[in-house]
Amino acid sequence: DGGITQSPKYLFRKEGQNVTLSCEQNLNHDAMYWYRQDPGQGLRLIYYSQIVNDFQKGDIAEGYSVSREKKESFPLTVTSAQKNPTAFYLCASSRAGGGQPQHFGDGTRLSIL
Amino acid sequence: GENVEQHPSTLSVQEGDSAVIKCTYSDSASNYFPWYKQELGKRPQLIIDIRSNVGEKKDQRIAVTLNKTAKHFSLHITETQPEDSAVYFCAASVTRNNRLAFGKGNQVVVIP
Repeated sequence: DGGITQSPKYLFRKEGQNVTLSCEQNLNHDAMYWYRQDPGQGLRLIYYSQIVNDFQKGDIAEGYSVSREKKESFPLTVTSAQKNPTAFYLCASSRAGGGQPQHFGDGTRLSIL
Repeated sequence: GENVEQHPSTLSVQEGDSAVIKCTYSDSASNYFPWYKQELGKRPQLIIDIRSNVGEKKDQRIAVTLNKTAKHFSLHITETQPEDSAVYFCAASVTRNNRLAFGKGNQVVVIP
C-alpha cells in the first residue's frame, strides 16, 4: 500500500552493530506492527503499538527494540543481541481495535556482512 | 497463544481449475480471519477477510468459508490464472487486540 513506506530496501549489518529500520505511514492509522519473515516461514510478530507512546512485545522481541514517539512513525532497531538478524522485515499498520485489516509496507531485507 | 496451520504447503493446479487452501486455528476466541497473497520479494497484500459472524464471503473469483465448530477456514480460488501463482498466508486474531497469528504459507502454482 502506497501509504506505508519502509526504508532502506536493503540493509547490511556488521558484527556488533545496531541498525535501525524506518517505517512511516500516512494512513492516519493508530496501530503499527513489525514482522520478521524467514524463508518458508510465516510472518512472526516482533513488536506492535496500538497508540502513540505505547508498544508491546510480540512473539520474538528478543534482540529488537522500538519506539513510537509519533503516530506516523514506528522505527525498529535490530541490536547486536540479535544473533541471527538476516531476514525480510515487514512493517504494517491498521486502525485501532480488533478485526482491522493490516496493510503492509514493501519491506527491508537485512543481511549480515 | 493462537496457532495457525496451513495445508497443503504447495499446491499445483492447471489453469482454469479451482484451488482450495485450508487453515486450522487453535484459539476458539479468534474472530477475524484474513488471507494475504505475497508474490516473490513483495509485500503481502490482503485479498479477502472474514469475521466470525459470517460463514462465507465472496469477491469475484475468490471466496473464504469459515467453520467455527471445527476451527478451520478455507480460501477458494476459481478459474485460476497464471497471475494467481503466489504464496498465500492465512491468519487469525481476537477482537481484544489486533495481533495476527500467521500460518506458514501455501505456494500456489498455476500451470498454463
